[in-house]
Amino acid sequence: DAGVTQSPTHLIKTRGQHVTLRCSPISGHKSVSWYQQVLGQGPQFIFQYYEKEERGRGNFPDRFSARQFPNYSSELNVNALLLGDSALYLCASSKGLTSTVYNEQFFGPGTRLTVL
Amino acid sequence: DAKTTQPPSMDCAEGRAANLPCNHSTISGNEYVYWYRQIHSQGPQYIIHGLKNNETNEMASLIITEDRKSSTLILPHATLRDTAVYYCIVRTNAGGTSYGKLTFGQGTILTVHP
Repeated sequence: DAGVTQSPTHLIKTRGQHVTLRCSPISGHKSVSWYQQVLGQGPQFIFQYYEKEERGRGNFPDRFSARQFPNYSSELNVNALLLGDSALYLCASSKGLTSTVYNEQFFGPGTRLTVL
Repeated sequence: DAKTTQPPSMDCAEGRAANLPCNHSTISGNEYVYWYRQIHSQGPQYIIHGLKNNETNEMASLIITEDRKSSTLILPHATLRDTAVYYCIVRTNAGGTSYGKLTFGQGTILTVHP
């Protein structure tokens, strides 16, 4: 069975540009969450989407946005890139909305974004 | 979600048990203890979780103290492939505003050496 997939694997952008990262959840999973992991730190929660609606948002500026499509895949968009946006961006999928014993989150390998 | 404290790093010899501690003194009654690990350049991987009873699965064992203020993740026979960052997370399984959010700290870097 395919796990969570993310594209691209690596990306280099310059300050001020815009970036779109993509995530395909595990088949049958309806919830997608996005995390940012800066080097040396643990992942930080950005968004959770469930049934195409935003259900949770972390402490990130409005430059960060996301959406979920009818097939439950998701995109994370970041506008006006800053050097500090350089990080590993992780996508996680789960079957439902809450994190219960039957609803664990499965993470993808991430997209490594470098902003120059 | 309650805050956790973990040692920044630990070493373990291959084949020996690795015991990773976690303090969560402010845990509340409906909060579970979760463990994830992150092998270099990969996404975090779920290991185990528990509420108050000790738990065991094919990957590890979780020992939670009676007062639930601390726990220990045990890898019974560590291998080189267990070298990773291990995160202890305390969270409720209820819905509400926390939804699926996992709050990661800096974790413990476990190095398994030959």
